[in-house]
Amino acid sequence: SQKIEQNSEALNIQEGKTATLTCNYTNYSPAYLQWYRQDPGRGPVFLLLIRENEKEKRKERLKVTFDTTLKQSLFHITASQPADSATYLCALSTGGGNKLTFGTGTQLKVEL
Amino acid sequence: DVKVTQSSRYLVKRTGEKVFLECVQDMDHENMFWYRQDPGLGLRLIYFSYDVKMKEKGDIPEGYSVSREKKERFSLILESASTNQTSMYLCASSFAPELTDTQYFGPGTRLTVL
Repeated sequence: SQKIEQNSEALNIQEGKTATLTCNYTNYSPAYLQWYRQDPGRGPVFLLLIRENEKEKRKERLKVTFDTTLKQSLFHITASQPADSATYLCALSTGGGNKLTFGTGTQLKVEL
Repeated sequence: DVKVTQSSRYLVKRTGEKVFLECVQDMDHENMFWYRQDPGLGLRLIYFSYDVKMKEKGDIPEGYSVSREKKERFSLILESASTNQTSMYLCASSFAPELTDTQYFGPGTRLTVL
């Protein structure tokens, strides 16, 4: 079955810097890879999706890359702000129309 | 905007009680999911449903059952609650024809079993 690895250690960065989070997966390449944000005590919220034939996707200060050779996605937040502090989850889909497989998430802390 | 609501934000129950967690979505989504989330273990799928009265086991169905009598409502049932079911429970829904499987989550229910 598909396994997803995200860095379990929290990432602490200074305000204004670029945060980079990593998602590695084993086995088959997914048709879609998604990133979610989760705040403490809340449900995850969808942020961005990238397809297997796309190398990069951007949305405002967010950028996602997808390397099917390395089996890796990178999630970047540029000009980070304290409000970006949250846990970020990576999720994979085969495109079958139902389940996602989630990583355990990486906690990001943006300090002043 | 998709809205997924869960019946309670916080719930405290005693060991052996029957517990019902309700989830309602307002976007006519076919798929609905129940997860539990524990520190270090991430989101684990308990059950999901892709249509009314249809259900499939997820990765950790033991000790749980579900009910989907109407398209918008998906209930999670703990037949006899135990302390190891203390957790955050999250409901989600997705639109089946959209093959990206993007899921929309409710706010979660923090269940404590004493």
